Amino acid sequence: SQKIEQNSEALNIQEGKTATLTCNYTNYSPAYLQWYRQDPGRGPVFLLLIRENEKEKRKERLKVTFDTTLKQSLFHITASQPADSATYLCALDHSGGYQKVTFGTGTKLQVIP
Amino acid sequence: DGGITQSPKYLFRKEGQNVTLSCEQNLNHDAMYWYRQDPGQGLRLIYYSQIVNDFQKGDIAEGYSVSREKKESFPLTVTSAQKNPTAFYLCASSKGTETQYFGPGTRLLVL
Repeated sequence: SQKIEQNSEALNIQEGKTATLTCNYTNYSPAYLQWYRQDPGRGPVFLLLIRENEKEKRKERLKVTFDTTLKQSLFHITASQPADSATYLCALDHSGGYQKVTFGTGTKLQVIP
Repeated sequence: DGGITQSPKYLFRKEGQNVTLSCEQNLNHDAMYWYRQDPGQGLRLIYYSQIVNDFQKGDIAEGYSVSREKKESFPLTVTSAQKNPTAFYLCASSKGTETQYFGPGTRLLVL
């Protein structure tokens, strides 16, 4: 069956360091992958989308890579700040032409001042 | 301001009661979605709708019902058949097949 795996353990890093979050998937052939940020008690907010034919995408301090051979996406936050502390979700589309994505369980990031 | 709103923020349900969660968007998006979020389980799709007067079941539709009479509105009813309704409910909308915009959520609690 289709499965998305994100590290369920919280990631704690020091302010100023680069945070790297992982999203692995099996039995999918997604046309694109998305990353969202979710703060406690609030809805997720879209950050980045990367397509299957793109290896890397950047937006300010954020960088996403997409390796369809390894079935893995990495999400990097450079020069991390305490305000980056949140849960980060990856989401994969369901190929087949209808508007449906499946979300991972998310990884909680804590940036320590 | 354009956006997606959900109400109420907190909702209490008694045994055997049906309750309805509201979701409204003024983004002119065609597609709308309802998700349920439980601790450690991520977001699970309940129902989605691509156009007015049409909707499809998601992965966990049992015990829920929806309607899509207007483009802007996609209310979710949690029926008495849903035996474990306590969760955080999120509504989302999208223009095409990609980026989803989420509302602030409704937390449903059982009395």
